[in-house]
Amino acid sequence: AQTVTQSQPEMSVQEAETVTLSCTYDTSESDYYLFWYKQPPSRQMILVIRQEAYKQQNATENRFSVNFQKAAKSFSLKISDSQLGDAAMYFCAFGEPDSNYQLIWGAGTKLIIKP
Amino acid sequence: DTAVSQTPKYLVTQMGNDKSIKCEQNLGHDTMYWYKQDSKKFLKIMFSYNNKELIINETVPNRFSPKSPDKAHLNLHINSLELGDSAVYFCASSQDRWQGVGELFFGEGSRLTVL
Repeated sequence: AQTVTQSQPEMSVQEAETVTLSCTYDTSESDYYLFWYKQPPSRQMILVIRQEAYKQQNATENRFSVNFQKAAKSFSLKISDSQLGDAAMYFCAFGEPDSNYQLIWGAGTKLIIKP
Repeated sequence: DTAVSQTPKYLVTQMGNDKSIKCEQNLGHDTMYWYKQDSKKFLKIMFSYNNKELIINETVPNRFSPKSPDKAHLNLHINSLELGDSAVYFCASSQDRWQGVGELFFGEGSRLTVL
């Protein structure tokens, strides 16, 4: 069965520092999509970054970037210059054709920003 | 102008009661979803509709019944509420038919507490 593993239930980082959240997944497919979603304390989930597996270039969105290691099935999220507003739960997810692109979600990582 | 809106945001009710949660999206998307997030923040897909057609119907008790009167609305009715139904229920929508391809847009969630 497809799985997504976020091995860090909680991470903390000093404001303005850089933090990396880890995510690994299991699939036999070569074409799939990977996502990081952020859920702030206000609860509404928003997309942070999306990666298409066939693209070798790592996706970036301002201070957010990913380290996509396809062979290792790893998709970590790097947050640079951490800000107080980055405090949230972060969920890794992926969708693949074998499961009709039904999203498989990780358990989430709680990110704490220390002022 | 809220893209995906859910009502009510909070429900507190007694076991055995019936309750409904409504969802509306103004993004013009064809696909809408209901997710359940438990106390450990684990996300689980419940249902998905594409243009009023049920396309995902996960293993949930048949006390849960979705209804999509049109592609902009997806409601969730729960009969005979049980303690284990206490959770946050999220509505979401996407432009893509499949959740694991493009971006999901989430509502703010409806926190259901069953006493």
